[in-house]
Amino acid sequence: DIQMTQSPSSLSASVGDRVTITCRASQSISSYLNWYQQKPGKAPKLLIYAASSLQSGVPSRFSGSGSGTDFTLTISSLQPEDFATYYCQQSYSTPIFTFGPGTKVDIK
Amino acid sequence: QVQLVQSGAEVKKPGASVKVSCKASGYTFTSYGISWVRQAPGQGLEWMGWISAYNGNTNYAQKLQGRVTMTTDTSTSTAYMELRSLRSDDTAVYYCARMKYSGYDYFDYWGQGTLVTVSS
Repeated sequence: DIQMTQSPSSLSASVGDRVTITCRASQSISSYLNWYQQKPGKAPKLLIYAASSLQSGVPSRFSGSGSGTDFTLTISSLQPEDFATYYCQQSYSTPIFTFGPGTKVDIK
Repeated sequence: QVQLVQSGAEVKKPGASVKVSCKASGYTFTSYGISWVRQAPGQGLEWMGWISAYNGNTNYAQKLQGRVTMTTDTSTSTAYMELRSLRSDDTAVYYCARMKYSGYDYFDYWGQGTLVTVSS
């Protein structure tokens, strides 16, 4: 089974900060990596698919990069509505999927 | 617009079963898959399984094999997830999500979630 890890598990940042979250797969998954945002009490929302493709309607301050085993999600200028938990997900072994443990972004 | 509307909250006793529904609208139901994802209180997302709405093929997370069954009713564009022999650690919010097949599969629309509480 493919295992996913994320770092950090949480971070504190200020509005306007550049934020980077890392996701690592236990084996190469090419570009089969998705990112989701989840706010408390809400369903997750797709941000990025195929490692770097921005989902329709998602602000351009969100970007994804990486391939193989190491991936990053970057928020170029953190906005108040971006405080949330972010999850990576591998789809290399579709239709079996694995989520990372999540990274909580809160207000400094 | 695409919508996935799930059934309401459930309270079950240990050993019982629960069946959660997910009614889809706004798209061709059989052109996409449905995955189920759960989230225990304060915890992360756990993928439970997938069903093809086209032909009913399924794939379940190994830890749930034998306890979970996913089905669809194409006449009503509804997906179902049944979990049996419930335990207290099955207490969670259960989500359905539309799975888009694009070579790079992903979950682009989600239901609102259904809270299942397992308690004696």
